[in-house]
Amino acid sequence: GAGVSQTPSNKVTEKGKYVELRCDPISGHTALYWYRQSLGQGPEFLIYFQGTGAADDSGLPNDRFFAVRPEGSVSTLKIQRTERGDSAVYLCASSLQIADTQYFGPGTRLTVL
Amino acid sequence: GDSVTQMEGPVTLSEEAFLTINCTYTATGYPSLFWYVQYPGEGLQLLLKATKADDKGSNKGFEATYRKETTSFHLEKGSVQVSDSAVYFCALTIQGAQKLVFGQGTRLTINP
Repeated sequence: GAGVSQTPSNKVTEKGKYVELRCDPISGHTALYWYRQSLGQGPEFLIYFQGTGAADDSGLPNDRFFAVRPEGSVSTLKIQRTERGDSAVYLCASSLQIADTQYFGPGTRLTVL
Repeated sequence: GDSVTQMEGPVTLSEEAFLTINCTYTATGYPSLFWYVQYPGEGLQLLLKATKADDKGSNKGFEATYRKETTSFHLEKGSVQVSDSAVYFCALTIQGAQKLVFGQGTRLTINP
């Protein structure tokens, strides 16, 4: 079956611009997670959703980062006023229920020039 | 806070060698422990997991045992293959908190 998909696969933007990153979870999965992976590091948690609501957003680094999941399926991670330090691979994962195995998408590589 | 420390890489072995990648953790509460693998050009995949002390996770010839007394979850394989070349991540979740906490990853290269 279809796995987690993320678009775009690559995004290059200029400092100060706004970007949106999209995640399509596995059909029927109720939990959705966002992580950020910097070069040579392990992924770091950003936020997770149970259904439409953000159950834990403690990993968002500052108020420039925001994520939504309005219908409990697709999620969008939004970054305002991008900075060079935001350059990383942004990973999305989903699980059938919370505490179940998380399945990861291929990631979106964001480069801020 | 909760954290995972992995053996630093890169690790280079010959085919059929024995593999150990060390992983230790610090956690409040009772974590579940995981090994994820990232093959070249692919996304993260769950390799194995263990949810309580003394559990052994296994998959594709890899094994890891949850050792509460040493707070460790070392990954082992008796005979590695070229196709095992990848980056391996040790991770944990804490009961009641669903986020995965990852180590920094260990890059493994197997030469024929």
